[in-house]
Amino acid sequence: AQSVTQPDIHITVSEGASLELRCNYSYGATPYLFWYVQSPGQGLQLLLKYFSGDTLVQGIKGFEAEFKRSQSSFNLRKPSVHWSDAAEYFCAVGSPNTGNQFYFGTGTSLTVIP
Amino acid sequence: DAMVIQNPRYQVTQFGKPVTLSCSQTLNHNVMYWYQQKSSQAPKLLFHYYDKDFNNEADTPDNFQSRRPNTSFCFLDIRSPGLGDAAMYLCATSRDGGYEQYFGPGTRLTVT
Repeated sequence: AQSVTQPDIHITVSEGASLELRCNYSYGATPYLFWYVQSPGQGLQLLLKYFSGDTLVQGIKGFEAEFKRSQSSFNLRKPSVHWSDAAEYFCAVGSPNTGNQFYFGTGTSLTVIP
Repeated sequence: DAMVIQNPRYQVTQFGKPVTLSCSQTLNHNVMYWYQQKSSQAPKLLFHYYDKDFNNEADTPDNFQSRRPNTSFCFLDIRSPGLGDAAMYLCATSRDGGYEQYFGPGTRLTVT
């Protein structure tokens, strides 16, 4: 069965420090991979997506993610975190080949301290 | 700008009183989804429409219904809300199944 795992429930980083949020997936075929961000009381905003090609993808707000097939991972990174990045982050997996399937991870809550 | 709109943003209803939440999109996407999200949890898919085809998740309570009268609009009906139905309800769209989904801002439902 397909699944998405975000091992870190909560992460705290200092403003200006680098960030890496982990995401691991279990999927039979090459998945489509996504990262979303959700600020309190808001909907989810797409940060970036990976379908194929270059395994390092750039997204909005200075985020990037790297697809590593051998590790079944799609970790999200940012070199320098801003206080406004404090939010909930969701990794997701989808594939048109399995008929509208789309799975979210359980989320990682990011706190940024001054 | 193309977008997903949800109305109202906040809805208060009484226990057992039917309520309808609305979603519209200007993206002309084929697929529309309804999610329920409770505090500090991932969104939980209730059902989705692929064009006019309705797809219900196996564990979605019968209390939840949906209508999609046209491509642009989709409604979530909760026939008899219970206290446990208080949550954020998110509408999303995608151009096809499995592709990225675009979310509305959500409707926060309170049941008194």
